[in-house]
Amino acid sequence: ETGVTQTPRHLVMGMTNKKSLKCEQHLGHNAMYWYKQSAKKPLELMFVYSLEERVENNSVPSRFSPECPNSSHLFLHLHTLQPEDSALYLCASSQDGRGGATYEQYFGPGTRLTVT
Amino acid sequence: GENVEQHPSTLSVQEGDSAVIKCTYSDSASNYFPWYKQELGKRPQLIIDIRSNVGEKKDQRIAVTLNKTAKHFSLHITETQPEDSAVYFCAAGGNYQLIWGAGTKLIIKP
Repeated sequence: ETGVTQTPRHLVMGMTNKKSLKCEQHLGHNAMYWYKQSAKKPLELMFVYSLEERVENNSVPSRFSPECPNSSHLFLHLHTLQPEDSALYLCASSQDGRGGATYEQYFGPGTRLTVT
Repeated sequence: GENVEQHPSTLSVQEGDSAVIKCTYSDSASNYFPWYKQELGKRPQLIIDIRSNVGEKKDQRIAVTLNKTAKHFSLHITETQPEDSAVYFCAAGGNYQLIWGAGTKLIIKP
């Protein structure tokens, strides 16, 4: 596998379920991101990890819980979600941006989440 | 909060004509301005980017211009082709934090 991969590609869950999304990057990057993409809305940055340390957390509800065990893997743990959380969840990675530099983000294919 | 406005939301052009998409940002500290293309059912991919110390950048049929004073930047696609049909996103920011526009659906009419 090359690039950024995400599993599962599709997920349907009830509001009382607990599930996890997984992202893996094979690009040697040190920064990883979770985004939420809803129809006709801007991409919403949820979390950023750099060198396994969380550097951004944009007021995301606590029912979303990220985990970054190493620079190649990123998880998003989901529990007691709401129907409005249904969206495409995209993972991305980039070179580390410490010091103010910003680099191209490489996206995974996304997980299409439906909350019933 | 900081935001990026992108216009138009939908753009339909005749094949071979040019297309222009415009974005305006609010955070004057932004120093990085990428453009991503997302084809239907696929992931966003970077097509061109520009940094705040440059006013214009070109790559074959694609060009981006930046006006830091006015806080706006634009994507120009010349000689459009059917494979240019997609949703295009602009973004502005720096140091991990990118604020994204809502996207422009570009339709190329044969």
